[in-house]
Amino acid sequence: GAVVSQHPSWVICKSGTSVKIECRSLDFQATTMFWYRQFPKQSLMLMATSNEGSKATYEQGVEKDKFLINHASLTLSTLTVTSAHPEDSSFYICSARVASQPQHFGDGTRLSIL
Amino acid sequence: QQPVQSPQAVILREGEDAVINCSSSKALYSVHWYRQKHGEAPVFLMILLKGGEQKGHEKISASFNEKKQQSSLYLTASQLSYSGTYFCGTEGTGANNLFFGTGTRLTVIP
Repeated sequence: GAVVSQHPSWVICKSGTSVKIECRSLDFQATTMFWYRQFPKQSLMLMATSNEGSKATYEQGVEKDKFLINHASLTLSTLTVTSAHPEDSSFYICSARVASQPQHFGDGTRLSIL
Repeated sequence: QQPVQSPQAVILREGEDAVINCSSSKALYSVHWYRQKHGEAPVFLMILLKGGEQKGHEKISASFNEKKQQSSLYLTASQLSYSGTYFCGTEGTGANNLFFGTGTRLTVIP
């Protein structure tokens, strides 16, 4: 149980392109979903917390107009990196949670901007 | 708000024990422990709630001292499969998100 699917696994695209990443909880309804970014050999940095039907809460320093989060249902959240540039290249990971239960992570999306 | 973990890295021979510490500057409600292998997503190990409890499963256990805002992960009789980077995730009272620690890279060699 508690499976989280993230798609795509990796993306390579040109600078200026917008990229959408999907995160789905397959066998449970997540009250909250989270988006993290991880640079090589570093920890996971929380970008935003997302609750179904409401606006995401962004962490300090994360541009909400650049990283658009939509949480359309209890099983789906999307992160769109708009007008991506090389410095946005990173490993993006989502997680989903029910109430105070542990967070379960997707497999991550490796984003490379050329 | 990022919790600090120690040590940053450790190398063990199979069968040896290790302790990984996680320290927060904020009051905590819970501590979550994860292991991440290179290029993969973190995998949940265990959660400890406020109350100073200790938990264990197989040869991996953990403790949580809420007064000191610290948690420790204990790995006994390490196996090759234990290799990876261990992260603690801390949750404050009334919060719904985790802040992950600086990470500890564990390498188990034959």
